[in-house]
Formats: sequence, C-alpha cells, structure tokens
Amino acid sequence: AQRVTQPEKLLSVFKGAPVELKCNYSYSGSPELFWYVQYSRQRLQLLLRHISRESIKGFTADLNKGETSFHLKKPFAQEEDSAMYYCALNAGNQFYFGTGTSLTVIP
Amino acid sequence: DTEVTQTPKHLVMGMTNKKSLKCEQHMGHRAMYWYKQKAKKPPELMFVYSYEKLSINESVPSRFSPECPNSSLLNLHLHALQPEDSALYLCASSHGLAATYNEQFFGPGTRLTVL
Repeated sequence: AQRVTQPEKLLSVFKGAPVELKCNYSYSGSPELFWYVQYSRQRLQLLLRHISRESIKGFTADLNKGETSFHLKKPFAQEEDSAMYYCALNAGNQFYFGTGTSLTVIP
Repeated sequence: DTEVTQTPKHLVMGMTNKKSLKCEQHMGHRAMYWYKQKAKKPPELMFVYSYEKLSINESVPSRFSPECPNSSLLNLHLHALQPEDSALYLCASSHGLAATYNEQFFGPGTRLTVL
C-alpha cells in the first residue's frame, strides 16, 4: 500500500530559525515525491519536486530512499512561510497526500 | 495559459437540486482529477481521467458523476447531495503517465454548501 506520513500537524518556529517539516513515505515502486503549499485563501500550489532537486523560496528537500523520507527544510524561516504544507506521492497518476503540517512562523 | 480554472467559485444547493461543477485547463495536460477537501484536511481523491477516460473512481457515491467532454474540460455533476458533501471541490491536471515532470496543477476550487 502507498502511504504518506507527516507526523506533525502543527509546527511553530520563530522568524530566522531553521525549520524542518517531516515526510515519510511507503511505496513499493520508484517514488515520485512533491511538496505542495497552501497559503491562506490561495490555491494549492507546487513548492518542490524531488526529481529536479531545486531550491524554491529557500526550501529544499532531499529524497532519502534508505529512510524513505522527503523532509522539507529551510535554514531561516520567514513570516510569509506560514502556511499548510502537504507532502505528496505520485504512484502512477494516483496522488497520495499526507495529512499536512500547518507551519506558523512567529515574528 | 498555465492555470486551471474552476466555476463557480461558490455554490449553494438543496438536497434535491442538480448542479454541475466545471474545470478547464489549456496546458495540454492529459490527466485530470477531482478532489474533495474538508477544512484543515488534505485533498481526498475522487476521480482520475487519463486521456479522457475514467481511470480511477475512489468508491465515490453515485450522486457524484464525472464527465470529461474533451481533453481540456472536466465536469462534476451533482445530484441529491447530502449536507456532509459540503466541502471545497478541487480540480487538478497533470501531464499524465510517462511525463518527466508529472506534478499536479490545482484550480482554486468550488466551495460547495449543501443545505
């Protein structure tokens, strides 16, 4: 069975502090993983895809197949990073979303 | 055009009404999706269309009926809904299988209230 786990429902950090949002997955095939972000009153939008190994808005995420993890990291959190973050797994056109982590960056 | 559009933005309907939600994309994507999202919850997959054919139905009640008239359009027909069906309905699209980048692009959603 395919599954995505985000263990933290809520996460609060101070502005300027490092932030890490955890994501673990379970998938028998070769995973295709994404991070999506939903800002208040905005549509769900793609933040990162593992395959392109990019850094967007200071965020990075590395796929660790040994630990089956795809944690999202940013060295210095900003207030505008406050949002809901979803980790997602693509299993052959079927996307599985984690339960989401609500990040609050405290000024 | 790199957006997924959805109409209407808001919909209020009674349990005996028939209504439709519409979704459109002009990115040449061949996979389209309907999701249901309750407040502070992740999107729940309802249907997947791949190359205009229904490929996945996640055991959705028959009061929800999807339709894909062409590769750019996706409809969701609603009939005899229940109050618990009130939610944000999201449409998404992606390139489809065998694409290098297969992330989903989401519409803004239709906020549905069933009275």
